Amino acid sequence: AQSVTQLGSHVSVSEGALVLLRCNYSSSVPPYLFWYVQYPNQGLQLLLKYTTGATLVKGINGFEAEFKKSETSFHLTKPSAHMSDAAEYFCAVSDWNSNYQLIWGAGTKLIIKP
Amino acid sequence: GAVVSQHPSRVICKSGTSVKIECRSLDFQATTMFWYRQFPKKSLMLMATSNEGSKATYEQGVEKDKFLINHASLTLSTLTVTSAHPEDSSFYICSARDTKVGTSGRARETQYFGPGTRLLVL
Repeated sequence: AQSVTQLGSHVSVSEGALVLLRCNYSSSVPPYLFWYVQYPNQGLQLLLKYTTGATLVKGINGFEAEFKKSETSFHLTKPSAHMSDAAEYFCAVSDWNSNYQLIWGAGTKLIIKP
Repeated sequence: GAVVSQHPSRVICKSGTSVKIECRSLDFQATTMFWYRQFPKKSLMLMATSNEGSKATYEQGVEKDKFLINHASLTLSTLTVTSAHPEDSSFYICSARDTKVGTSGRARETQYFGPGTRLLVL
């Protein structure tokens, strides 16, 4: 069965510092991988996704993620954090086994310190 | 990108009343839509999969008679919370699946999420 693990329910970084949000998944077939962001009191917004092709995926707002099959990881990074990046981030996986239904991680709340 | 709307964005109702939430895909057709519930400080919980023209598939533990789902067209799914109680207060989010066929002939699917509906039952 598929599963998604996000390490750390809260991550705190200083403004301008590197952002690293970890996501590991399990899937028996090639997965589709996603990162979504949820700002306070808003719905989810797609940040980026990996389906096929280049393993380094660039998304909106300067975020990127790299699919590492050997590590079953899809960590999200941003070189320099902004105050506006404070939000909750969700990693999700889907594949044809699950009829492409998304399997969600528990989410990581990103806190930006001034 | 594709847009999914939800209406209303917020609703406050009295205990015992029913509330209908609409989910629309605005610029694509979605044979499959999903309804999620988000509890405070927790991740999303899939409630049901809504299939156009057929009955919804509910996740284990979700009451079918309480959370009525109708997917009457390729762009609209509705969730009706019947006889709402305070414990039904939550953030309800829908998503719609957009399927596109790439140049390789392979189908690619992406889910687009609605902005969510905050339900408060008094």
